[in-house]
Amino acid sequence: SQQGEEDPQALSIQEGENATMNCSYKTSINNLQWYRQNSGRGLVHLILIRSNEREKHSGRLRVTLDTSKKSSSLLITASRAADTASYFCATVDSGGGADGLTFGKGTHLIIQP
Amino acid sequence: DAGVIQSPRHEVTEMGQEVTLRCKPISGHDYLFWYRQTMMRGLELLIYFNNNVPIDDSGMPEDRFSAKMPNASFSTLKIQPSEPRDSAVYFCASSLGRGAYEQYFGPGTRLTVT
Repeated sequence: SQQGEEDPQALSIQEGENATMNCSYKTSINNLQWYRQNSGRGLVHLILIRSNEREKHSGRLRVTLDTSKKSSSLLITASRAADTASYFCATVDSGGGADGLTFGKGTHLIIQP
Repeated sequence: DAGVIQSPRHEVTEMGQEVTLRCKPISGHDYLFWYRQTMMRGLELLIYFNNNVPIDDSGMPEDRFSAKMPNASFSTLKIQPSEPRDSAVYFCASSLGRGAYEQYFGPGTRLTVT
């Protein structure tokens, strides 16, 4: 079943602009992760934020987490054509038994040159 | 390390045939996951292993699906008999530990059942 729901489903911006994607989830989580998938390829891990963290940075990426609203956002600053891909949030439940990731349906990001 | 290796990359088969997908995880990773990706359902966890032992197979859609991990460097996902609705991209992923560890994905196997 889908846990995360990304918003928007598709986003097209000009190179150099910032891109913001949002993710909502339903259950209590241990951590939330963001992955990127280029067309026809496997998923690549971008960043992980734990449930007790509110914000995390990695290069041009900034992730926020609001556990009270069960939501997260991924900001990509100064976008590049190479950032064109689908972006997925994925959660690990805090229930203790599940170790697999539950993915949202993703945001398809297109960077116009 | 070469990363997670999956084979074949593409598989086209007829309905009713047996299909076997293969995965070699990253050396030293204790966890191995099988996911399926379709347009309709997105990415779904099928089953995962810890130290070669299946932990949770609640995502396996039917008895037609089975997975094994005979050793730390090899896993298979078998569909018998295959059906058109099994058409999807199947990903294998591995990680060092549970929960708070990133998962490393293979390139996937695109399965088409006609």
